[in-house]
Amino acid sequence: DADVTQTPRNRITKTGKRIMLECSQTKGHDRMYWYRQDPGLGLRLIYYSFDVKDINKGEISDGYSVSRQAQAKFSLSLESAIPNQTALYFCATSGLSGSLNQPQHFGDGTRLSIL
Amino acid sequence: AQKVTQAQTEISVVEKEDVTLDCVYETRDTTYYLFWYKQPPSGELVFLIRRNSFDEQNEISGRYSWNFQKSTSSFNFTITASQVVDSAVYFCALSEARNQGGKLIFGQGTELSVKP
Repeated sequence: DADVTQTPRNRITKTGKRIMLECSQTKGHDRMYWYRQDPGLGLRLIYYSFDVKDINKGEISDGYSVSRQAQAKFSLSLESAIPNQTALYFCATSGLSGSLNQPQHFGDGTRLSIL
Repeated sequence: AQKVTQAQTEISVVEKEDVTLDCVYETRDTTYYLFWYKQPPSGELVFLIRRNSFDEQNEISGRYSWNFQKSTSSFNFTITASQVVDSAVYFCALSEARNQGGKLIFGQGTELSVKP
């Protein structure tokens, strides 16, 4: 089983719909992240959470919200989807070794298309 | 401001050729971390290496090697004797200690195509 699981893997929806992307992990990591990938732009950070009570905006948080329901779960919501939110979305997790953040481990991605 | 630039958008080589992927970064922090990730055609992101800013020693892992030079703010990745399975998009990324090393800033990626 995958350590970082994203659901759904693919989603096609219409403009204006509310969408939730879910991420769960079995790695026991405190830190979780949401990124989006667009061609030619690499990955950009949307939101991140260093523990259950911590939520932080990333580089491109407008139009998105998140919920950290438990250590293992971190959901990304698009309240009213628009076509330019069509992208590949990745969830990632990382742990700490002392004070050093460990490399992030990524889920397999969710391909989201908004018509 | 922090930034990562991968100027090579696409590279095409023939199998067994050596290939170097360039990465140039910008940061004001004196302590930071550099990463390379591989994204094969299947889409997942695979961690390859992390380097700390205070450790400029180059690293070799099989056919992969990394050249970190603080003087030029570069962290280049070389694949020796490339193989078709090396075909992927490769991302360089940076995180700063002031962000507890947590926030990754990615470059645009370099798509490597290795032809038989």
